[in-house]
Amino acid sequence: QKEVEQDPGPLSVPEGAIVSLNCTYSNSAFQYFMWYRQYSRKGPELLMYTYSSGNKEDGRFTAQVDKSSKYISLFIRDSQPSDSATYLCAMSLDNAGNMLTFGGGTRLMVKP
Amino acid sequence: DADVTQTPRNRITKTGKRIMLECSQTKGHDRMYWYRQDPGLGLRLIYYSFDVKDINKGEISDGYSVSRQAQAKFSLSLESAIPNQTALYFCATSDSGSKYEQYFGPGTRLTVT
Repeated sequence: QKEVEQDPGPLSVPEGAIVSLNCTYSNSAFQYFMWYRQYSRKGPELLMYTYSSGNKEDGRFTAQVDKSSKYISLFIRDSQPSDSATYLCAMSLDNAGNMLTFGGGTRLMVKP
Repeated sequence: DADVTQTPRNRITKTGKRIMLECSQTKGHDRMYWYRQDPGLGLRLIYYSFDVKDINKGEISDGYSVSRQAQAKFSLSLESAIPNQTALYFCATSDSGSKYEQYFGPGTRLTVT
């Protein structure tokens, strides 16, 4: 079993829809939770991060962490075709430098 | 100019050949990483280096070696390429003060026939 699980998709939604992307993990020691976005033929780029449990909002994006359930989510409101990309969740321990463990990524397609 | 560059961007090679992938960064970061990406498996860490004299194996280092020639340069070698090393390879950098943000290069698509 992988340490971080993520549904590969693809997830296809109409423009304007609310998108929910999720990851589950098995290591309860993870403290930092991140979402990276990867456009086709590009390297991943950091989209959002959250420390420990709770919610964090940035514009149309909300990251949510539920440590008790070992479950994290990324919500995208009013999705746009430009949001079409692969979304990778990533996690790190609190004192191990910045070693990241990635999920497999979910491919999102937002159709006009 | 891009902060993290990788060369070559695409490479086709034959089984048994030695190949080197190169990474350079202008971000001034001390930490550098090599990952491979396979469909459905996400990014898996091959090697990482926290400074010029520090090299560490990652999750899948077998069949690979690295060299940190300078703070800004980190190269990945496949001593004898095999077909299951066909993948997308990414170099990344980070600052020692950050626990979560890594900056990725554009990737090298490697095909081993």
